[in-house]
Amino acid sequence: NAGVTQTPKFQVLKTGQSMTLQCAQDMNHEYMSWYRQDPGMGLRLIHYSVGAGITDQGEVPNGYNVSRSTTEDFPLRLLSAAPSQTSVYFCASSYSRAGESYEQYFGPGTRLTVT
Amino acid sequence: ELKVEQNPLFLSMQEEKNYTIYCNYSTTSDRLYWYRQDPGKSLESLFVLLSNGAVKQEGRLMASLDTKARLSTLHITAAVHDLSATYFCAVDIENFGNEKLTFGTGTRLTIIP
Repeated sequence: NAGVTQTPKFQVLKTGQSMTLQCAQDMNHEYMSWYRQDPGMGLRLIHYSVGAGITDQGEVPNGYNVSRSTTEDFPLRLLSAAPSQTSVYFCASSYSRAGESYEQYFGPGTRLTVT
Repeated sequence: ELKVEQNPLFLSMQEEKNYTIYCNYSTTSDRLYWYRQDPGKSLESLFVLLSNGAVKQEGRLMASLDTKARLSTLHITAAVHDLSATYFCAVDIENFGNEKLTFGTGTRLTIIP
């Protein structure tokens, strides 16, 4: 299993450009999430999904869109990049069985700089 | 709104010493997770605590959960250099699944020889 994969690893954008961060998992996990990590602020939830076709907003959703057309993929779209979106972005996946929760598995991250 | 606070934020300790990292949270929950992050790397799961009184141990690390006090601790015993990392706790308040974690700000641990 490759686990959770993210592309690209690094990206530099100009203000106003759009792009999509890719995330894929091969563990058949139903739950997937996007977080951003900024210095001194821990990780903050952007959007999440509990299954194909179902997405919802997290704590900091503004400026981002997501879709989940398959169980495996959960892309994050930046609509019009702003310097405030300079951050490290992590995708995570997880599952639960019979009401039990398990840890989230994190991808390697995408380091995004918006100039 | 759920708030998760860790302390200390920074911790320098000598090898072979013991110390504890604290994680307080503001809303009732019985699911708490500890992660480790090395510089420039992703997050690695350490412990999953799913009930009041849960205690898990792995090597020199031991985590516990007191849901009544809304407190989790990560205890380090006889620290060694390779434990230097940033440690995060995260809390889940959903009834099913764990797709909505709220993270603490992290504790940056440096072990000094």
